[in-house]
Amino acid sequence: DQQVKQNSPSLSVQEGRISILNCDYTNSMFDYFLWYKKYPAEGPTFLISISSIKDKNEDGRFTVFLNKSAKHLSLHIVPSQPGDSAVYFCAATGAGSYQLTFGKGTKLSVIP
Amino acid sequence: KAGVTQTPRYLIKTRGQQVTLSCSPISGHRSVSWYQQTPGQGLQFLFEYFSETQRNKGNFPGRFSGRQFSNSRSEMNVSTLELGDSALYLCASSFTGDSYEQYFGPGTRLTVT
Repeated sequence: DQQVKQNSPSLSVQEGRISILNCDYTNSMFDYFLWYKKYPAEGPTFLISISSIKDKNEDGRFTVFLNKSAKHLSLHIVPSQPGDSAVYFCAATGAGSYQLTFGKGTKLSVIP
Repeated sequence: KAGVTQTPRYLIKTRGQQVTLSCSPISGHRSVSWYQQTPGQGLQFLFEYFSETQRNKGNFPGRFSGRQFSNSRSEMNVSTLELGDSALYLCASSFTGDSYEQYFGPGTRLTVT
């Protein structure tokens, strides 16, 4: 049973446009959410996180939105750059645990 | 600050053998977690250590074990290797406290033949 789902395996976006990556979760105990970026042959790199007490968090070109009632979060990248091309993972944790539950990832391709 | 380091980076083993992987966390980080990444299952949590104690364990068989030393360095061991254990094994460290961000190493690519 997948508790964190990223339903789009891939996404292509033109350089300069907005990239929107989506993530849904089912476990109501999750109260902290993270996004990671992963290049081939490297470990995931932490991008941005959000606590369930917030509905939005921004860091430069990256913004994460959380809709608790819908159990949905999204990552917006504006503007998208070719260097953003990577696999993006959504992760969740809760109840003071350091165990991250990951989605299967979305491969983002930013086309110059 | 140096990042999370993992050794070795690549490993080839035969079915039935055992393997030990090593992880050095970011200086000052006391929590170390291990994950397995495979194409079919994605990233799955193995276990987490804090102050030499296992705090959380994922849904993996007892062949997978780990430990943490007093300097926060960690090792994981897989005994009686199976073909399905071929994967990228990732170690992540975190400072603990109010944030749950984990910082990953480059991983150890294990191939079981």
